Amino acid sequence: KQEVTQIPAALSVPEGENLVLNCSFTDSAIYNLQWFRQDPGKGLTSLLLIQSSQREQTSGRLNASLDKSSGRSTLYIAASQPGDSATYLCAVPLSGNTPLVFGKGTRLSVIA
Amino acid sequence: GAVVSQHPSRVICKSGTSVKIECRSLDFQATTMFWYRQFPKQSLMLMATSNEGSKATYEQGVEKDKFLINHASLTLSTLTVTSAHPEDSSFYICSASLSRETFTDQPQHFGDGTRLSIL
Repeated sequence: KQEVTQIPAALSVPEGENLVLNCSFTDSAIYNLQWFRQDPGKGLTSLLLIQSSQREQTSGRLNASLDKSSGRSTLYIAASQPGDSATYLCAVPLSGNTPLVFGKGTRLSVIA
Repeated sequence: GAVVSQHPSRVICKSGTSVKIECRSLDFQATTMFWYRQFPKQSLMLMATSNEGSKATYEQGVEKDKFLINHASLTLSTLTVTSAHPEDSSFYICSASLSRETFTDQPQHFGDGTRLSIL
């Protein structure tokens, strides 16, 4: 059974800092890994998807890496801004492309 | 990009009421839709898989007679919480998949969720 763990559960940083969020999964036979952002009381916004054959993906100030063999992924946020404050979730599919098993998320607060 | 619309965004109702939540894929055909539930400070948990034209597949511990799912078309799936009670209060969110095929480069697309509060 796939389990996804995210560390830390919460993180507070001053504006401008670079930061790393961690995600680990127990079954390395994944098809892809997806990072999401969730604002309080809102749905999910897809940030990055890394296919199992890839090692990283970049979008603006975000960079996600994947080490499938060790069951780990990181989300790097450069030059953090208060608008980055949200909960960040990572998720992997149970089989094929769907459905997804989610971690509990990292709640990020960027202080101005 | 692909968009999933979920309605309503919030429902507050009395215990015993049945509540219907709609999930629509706006610009693509979704043969498969998923329904998740999220309790406060918890992660999203898969409730059921909805396949167009066939019965939904429910996860262990999810009562199929309590949570009725209908996927009558390639763009619409509905979740009906029957005779809702306070313990059913939660955040319900749907997602849609573009195809039955295992396209590993396709992201999941999620609706904005429905916050259900049963008094």
